[in-house]
Amino acid sequence: AQTVTQSQPEMSVQEAETVTLSCTYDTSESDYYLFWYKQPPSRQMILVIRQEAYKQQNATENRFSVNFQKAAKSFSLKISDSQLGDAAMYFCAYRSLNAGGTSYGKLTFGQGTILTVHP
Amino acid sequence: GAGVSQTPSNKVTEKGKYVELRCDPISGHTALYWYRQSLGQGPEFLIYFQGTGAADDSGLPNDRFFAVRPEGSVSTLKIQRTERGDSAVYLCASSLQGTGTDTQYFGPGTRLTVL
Repeated sequence: AQTVTQSQPEMSVQEAETVTLSCTYDTSESDYYLFWYKQPPSRQMILVIRQEAYKQQNATENRFSVNFQKAAKSFSLKISDSQLGDAAMYFCAYRSLNAGGTSYGKLTFGQGTILTVHP
Repeated sequence: GAGVSQTPSNKVTEKGKYVELRCDPISGHTALYWYRQSLGQGPEFLIYFQGTGAADDSGLPNDRFFAVRPEGSVSTLKIQRTERGDSAVYLCASSLQGTGTDTQYFGPGTRLTVL
């Protein structure tokens, strides 16, 4: 079974500064997706960014970028120019692309990191 | 278009009672997922529907939990003989086809409190 670990329960950053959230995962599969989701107090999970494992190039979405290290099974999220609206719980998630496997379809989430943004 | 909606937003019940939680997916999405999120934790998978059938129900914790999607759209998660340990936020998500490359879009969740 796949596991996702977020070792930082809480992180804080000053507005306009940069912060990096860590995520590691364990899998024996070669084809998968990795995701970062944001969950504000409203509870609604919002997709921030995703990375296909077969792509070597790191994904970027405006102020959000990832550092994907497949061999190390590491997938960190960098938030540049942090804004007050970035404050939320952030979850790293894994999804298998192996249609014959037991993990296909579902997301496996880490424990989350609470991000506080100070003005 | 409208996103995933879930009703009720909050549900308080007493131990031993039966509850139903409803999920309305995005129109046209064939795949629907239920997750459970305990306080301070990440969501945990419960069940996944492809159309009307459950493609994977391996996350349902025991036989008190059951979910249906009779017409391939709205889904209902049913919990019998609720226990205090069932208290959590129940999240629903939908995706267009249910393939590994699909993006799952989440609803706001139902917070269930069992007294």
